[in-house]
Amino acid sequence: IVLTQSPGTLSLSPGERATLSCRASQTVDSIYLAWYQQKPGQAPRLLIYAASSRATGIPDRFSGGGSGTDFTLTISRLEPEDFAVYYCQQYGFSPLSFGGGAKVEIK
Amino acid sequence: EVQLVESGGGLVQPGGSLRLSCTASGFTFSNYGMSWVRQARGKGLEWLSAISNTGGSTYYADSVRGRFTISRDSSKNSLYLQMNSLRADDTAVYYCATWTYVMGLASWGQGALVTVSS
Repeated sequence: IVLTQSPGTLSLSPGERATLSCRASQTVDSIYLAWYQQKPGQAPRLLIYAASSRATGIPDRFSGGGSGTDFTLTISRLEPEDFAVYYCQQYGFSPLSFGGGAKVEIK
Repeated sequence: EVQLVESGGGLVQPGGSLRLSCTASGFTFSNYGMSWVRQARGKGLEWLSAISNTGGSTYYADSVRGRFTISRDSSKNSLYLQMNSLRADDTAVYYCATWTYVMGLASWGQGALVTVSS
């Protein structure tokens, strides 16, 4: 399953809303779709699993949605610490593929 | 607190071998599947391999199948990745992570750098 993320880069200001897209080449069971955040020099961190469930400690400004082949990660109001790279992943079937990543940068 | 610590990275010549280890603590290791993911400098995440909680099932990306072998030793709370026939494009930071069908890759190690160069 190939996951395509768009846009590749999102330039926004703190306080703005970010919407990231992840499109799958075939249907993904939403219970197997995750989003990760990665900051420079750090390991990725799980944000969302099962398409819409927040991982422990993740603020509620992060939300996930979608089904079938189209999934989204929304950050309702960007905080300075949210500027990072975000990856979607399907983890239900081998190979456990990642999207190419989407960078949210400060405008 | 879940902790995963990778070790065994370093410089290896093309065609050589290396074994990465991932030592786990803070959770019941035998209850979790585990996975390896790598990231070349400036590039995205690439999933490599996964192993079930019992070790009975293993999975590989096409890019490493036949060259890399994943294994685990629950008596040592450890995950391994044996890497053979290494190539320059295997140069990357290698992460281990817990893997479940419920939450995906929930916890990650800090990564180990593998450099394949002559």
